[in-house]
Amino acid sequence: DTGVSQDPRHKITKRGQNVTFRCDPISEHNRLYWYRQTLGQGPEFLTYFQNEAQLEKSRLLSDRFSAERPKGSFSTLEIQRTEQGDSAMYLCASSLIGYTGELFFGEGSRLTVL
Amino acid sequence: GDSVTQMEGPVTLSEEAFLTINCTYTATGYPSLFWYVQYPGEGLQLLLKATKADDKGSNKGFEATYRKETTSFHLEKGSVQVSDSAVYFCALMDNAGNMLTFGGGTRLMVKP
Repeated sequence: DTGVSQDPRHKITKRGQNVTFRCDPISEHNRLYWYRQTLGQGPEFLTYFQNEAQLEKSRLLSDRFSAERPKGSFSTLEIQRTEQGDSAMYLCASSLIGYTGELFFGEGSRLTVL
Repeated sequence: GDSVTQMEGPVTLSEEAFLTINCTYTATGYPSLFWYVQYPGEGLQLLLKATKADDKGSNKGFEATYRKETTSFHLEKGSVQVSDSAVYFCALMDNAGNMLTFGGGTRLMVKP
């Protein structure tokens, strides 16, 4: 399978713990996006990378959130000191520069904060 | 900022019925418009797109026309199938081409 893969698919944690999600994009894609989706809502943009550079971050991304994409390949999204409001599906997507809006999404990582 | 508004669901139809899912947008300039679909247990996938006014995007029997005068991009299909049951998201890409803004999604349920 050469699609976007995310790990873990589901994470249950206690409030205050740190969690990290990983995304492996389609190998030749140079853009990588993170979105958050809560139940019954559309995905909300968090941040995106072009190669290894993080070019834009949403105001939704508080200081507790950090994302990296070392070497322009896989990416990680870390949430520190989780809160119950962080419970959501975290979606990763990748695309090629020039293919505007044509994102390929993974199946998401569901976070449940108890 | 940019925003997308979709009709709320769920939309329940019988097989072979005509489908319309309304989508309107607010944006500066000339965004590109998209419909994404999420089938049960799968990730979002692009269904169709239109990049300028009066363009019609089409795929798998679905169509949507970019109407700048009404800032709309309604999704239509002449005859739905049970396999079309999914959540449909309207989205726009800003002029800078940096990120997609999604609507809230509309769940479609098609009964045999």
